[in-house]
Amino acid sequence: AQSVTQLDSHVSVSEGTPVLLRCNYSSSYSPSLFWYVQHPNKGLQLLLKYTSAATLVKGINGFEAEFKKSETSFHLTKPSAHMSDAAEYFCVVSGDYKLSFGAGTTVTVRA
Amino acid sequence: SAVISQKPSRDICQRGTSLTIQCQVDSQVTMMFWYRQQPGQSLTLIATANQGSEATYESGFVIDKFPISRPNLTFSTLTVSNMSPEDSSIYLCSVPGERAGSGELFFGEGSRLTVL
Repeated sequence: AQSVTQLDSHVSVSEGTPVLLRCNYSSSYSPSLFWYVQHPNKGLQLLLKYTSAATLVKGINGFEAEFKKSETSFHLTKPSAHMSDAAEYFCVVSGDYKLSFGAGTTVTVRA
Repeated sequence: SAVISQKPSRDICQRGTSLTIQCQVDSQVTMMFWYRQQPGQSLTLIATANQGSEATYESGFVIDKFPISRPNLTFSTLTVSNMSPEDSSIYLCSVPGERAGSGELFFGEGSRLTVL
């Protein structure tokens, strides 16, 4: 069985400050991990993915995530938040095309 | 990447009625997935639809409530039957990414249903 836990349901940051979204996973084998973003009234878009290559993964829009096996974590970061980053973010673990989604983290960005 | 179109994008439905959601993909895909996202919740897989075979439903979802058709490799429908307010959700269609085994999915923009 596999699952993910997103540790923060809501994160609020000021524009230009760093963003950190925390995710812990549980998997009985080497997982594939993803971060998806969902903007209001839009479909989900893949931000980045980890598939057992480099542990530091760079994605779109300046986001990156680090896979830490010892901590079973896959936290998402961005050095400087932009207003357009306001959205819902999902940490996801994959098993044979069946994705298990975290509960989501809502990011708000203050001007 | 795949381009996925869903219809309707949103609808308001009466209790006890049924609604069919369409999903059109711009390329041929073997597997298509239907997800549900209830208000304020994460995504839950309803079923996997393979062309030429019956859909495979996840625990808690049954064919009588969510019948699925998959007539060809670019199209699928999901019907939400005998709707109740608890069925108010966003329903999303998705397909696997190009690289087999990557686990990546592409999603449509979703169909937002409100049941009164």
